[in-house]
Amino acid sequence: EVQLVESGGGSVQPGGSLRLSCAASGFTLNSYEINWVRQAPGKGLEWVSYISGSGDTIYYADSVKGRFTISRDNAKNSLYMQMSGLRAEDTAIYYCATDDPVGGAFDYWGQGTLITVSS
Amino acid sequence: QLVLTQSPSASASLGASVKLTCTLSSGHSSYAIAWHQQQPPKGPRYLMKLNSDGSHTKGDGIPDRFSGSSSGAERYLTISSLQSEDEADYYCQTWATGIRVFGTGTKVTVL
Repeated sequence: EVQLVESGGGSVQPGGSLRLSCAASGFTLNSYEINWVRQAPGKGLEWVSYISGSGDTIYYADSVKGRFTISRDNAKNSLYMQMSGLRAEDTAIYYCATDDPVGGAFDYWGQGTLITVSS
Repeated sequence: QLVLTQSPSASASLGASVKLTCTLSSGHSSYAIAWHQQQPPKGPRYLMKLNSDGSHTKGDGIPDRFSGSSSGAERYLTISSLQSEDEADYYCQTWATGIRVFGTGTKVTVL
């Protein structure tokens, strides 16, 4: 069974840092392009970042550019997001989601991990 | 600019059908999209990928009650024989080099 499991969420003060992880099971992650998506409380889905299967190509939403860094370790079948300079508006559930093999449809999702940025 | 537009809400009676619309911005009418369902408080679930010609590929275990169609810049999700568990938020999503985009979502209420 294909599964993505996020971890690393928690509470952090404004300006702080946090590192999220996304572990894959049931498939080999290095074959997949993968994304981080977030959802603020009571709001819709917002794409955050993308990384190619090899890790050579990376994109960010303007809202996180320069503060968040996406990476992957294919040997560990895992994806990461290093988050720094956190702001109150970064408070959200963060999901990892794979691109389908022939396009950018998000075909598998994790269950999410909550980040709360508050003083 | 690549933008997806969705109506905020839709409703239909138990056992009836409902058709949701997702409209692609000008100049992007050939783009494929994906539909996702989110039953609060759960995470999103992939329903299908929908091409501009109306062909679609469903995700694992998605019932036949869910179908997709296309017309011009509009992409549709039709849910037939509505069940109580279909009450959820539905998001369309598309992509281009360097970007992934979501619509604002449609909340479906089953009456």
